[in-house]
Amino acid sequence: AQTVTQSQPEMSVQEAETVTLSCTYDTSENNYYLFWYKQPPSRQMILVIRQEAYKQQNATENRFSVNFQKAAKSFSLKISDSQLGDTAMYFCAFTRSSGDKLTFGTGTRLAVRP
Amino acid sequence: DAMVIQNPRYQVTQFGKPVTLSCSQTLNHNVMYWYQQKSSQAPKLLFHYYDKDFNNEADTPDNFQSRRPNTSFCFLDIRSPGLGDAAMYLCATSDGGLAKNIQYFGAGTRLSVL
Repeated sequence: AQTVTQSQPEMSVQEAETVTLSCTYDTSENNYYLFWYKQPPSRQMILVIRQEAYKQQNATENRFSVNFQKAAKSFSLKISDSQLGDTAMYFCAFTRSSGDKLTFGTGTRLAVRP
Repeated sequence: DAMVIQNPRYQVTQFGKPVTLSCSQTLNHNVMYWYQQKSSQAPKLLFHYYDKDFNNEADTPDNFQSRRPNTSFCFLDIRSPGLGDAAMYLCATSDGGLAKNIQYFGAGTRLSVL
């Protein structure tokens, strides 16, 4: 069974600063997919960034980037130039293949301070 | 434009009174999922449909059932809600035929059981 661990229940960052959210996972699979999802208060969960395990290059999406360390089973999210709209719960998630379920971590609640 | 729509956003039911939550999608995705998210916890998959094939998670209580009459709609039926079933219920979809494995979520239905 796969597990996903997020060790930071809450984090806070000043607007325009950089913050890194941590995620580790455990799996015996060699090929899989990792995600960061954002869930703003009372709003739907949306995809922030996606990483394919067979790709060594770290994924980036504008201000969001990941540090994927396959051997260490680590998948951290870096948010640069934090904005007030980044305030949300962030979930790290894992899936083995297309059509498979997402296994989520317990989430990190991020607050961006003005 | 909303792509995964859940109705209602808030549902209040009485202990033991059957309730149905609905989900519709405009993405024409062949996979639909139902997740249960209790307060401050990670979403947990209840079951999913791959086309018409129903896939139940081993630990999903028998009290929870689902129907998918067509590609666009999926329903979650709770036969006899208990206090422990109060949660946010999230519907998600994905295109099982592509390798991207991205799941698109609705805004959720928050269920209260009195």
